[in-house]
Amino acid sequence: AQSVTQPDIHITVSEGASLELRCNYSYGATPYLFWYVQSPGQGLQLLLKYFSGDTLVQGIKGFEAEFKRSQSSFNLRKPSVHWSDAAEYFCAVGDFVGGGADGLTFGKGTHLIIQP
Amino acid sequence: NAGVMQNPRHLVRRRGQEARLRCSPMKGHSHVYWYRQLPEEGLKFMVYLQKENIIDESGMPKERFSAEFPKEGPSILRIQQVVRGDSAAYFCASSPRTIDEQYFGPGTRLTVT
Repeated sequence: AQSVTQPDIHITVSEGASLELRCNYSYGATPYLFWYVQSPGQGLQLLLKYFSGDTLVQGIKGFEAEFKRSQSSFNLRKPSVHWSDAAEYFCAVGDFVGGGADGLTFGKGTHLIIQP
Repeated sequence: NAGVMQNPRHLVRRRGQEARLRCSPMKGHSHVYWYRQLPEEGLKFMVYLQKENIIDESGMPKERFSAEFPKEGPSILRIQQVVRGDSAAYFCASSPRTIDEQYFGPGTRLTVT
């Protein structure tokens, strides 16, 4: 069974500084990877996804992520954070082997705090 | 195009009562997923449905929980005889096809008193 690890429960970054959120996955085949963001009391919004092709994917709100198969990682980055980026960030992996689909497996999330 | 709709947004039930959570997928989406989010944890998959069919319920507790997605109308997650441990946020997601991103609703926050 697949699993997702987000090693950092909380991260504090100054506004304008760069950001990297870590995500490691365990999955036997080529994974389908996602980053979602959740603001307090809200649902999840997709930031970006990786299915195949270019390992550096661009998402919304200036976010990007790089798939590294050798490290089983899919880290999320942003060159300059804004106070509005403060939220909970979830990495997820999808199992679509054989054309079927199951639910996504999520990491426990990283809480991002932005310092003024 | 309206997003995934869930209602109610907040639901309070006493122990032993039934909870019914509704989810209307995005227009054109025939795949529905339910997740549960407990405090300090990520989302846990519960069940995956297509119209009139349960495809995968491996994440659903064996007792008291059931889900349906009828030919007409919203998907329903039903929890019978709720207990305090059922207090959580329940999210519904929909997808237009098997291999694709999932679009999430705002969630239903269930509180059992």
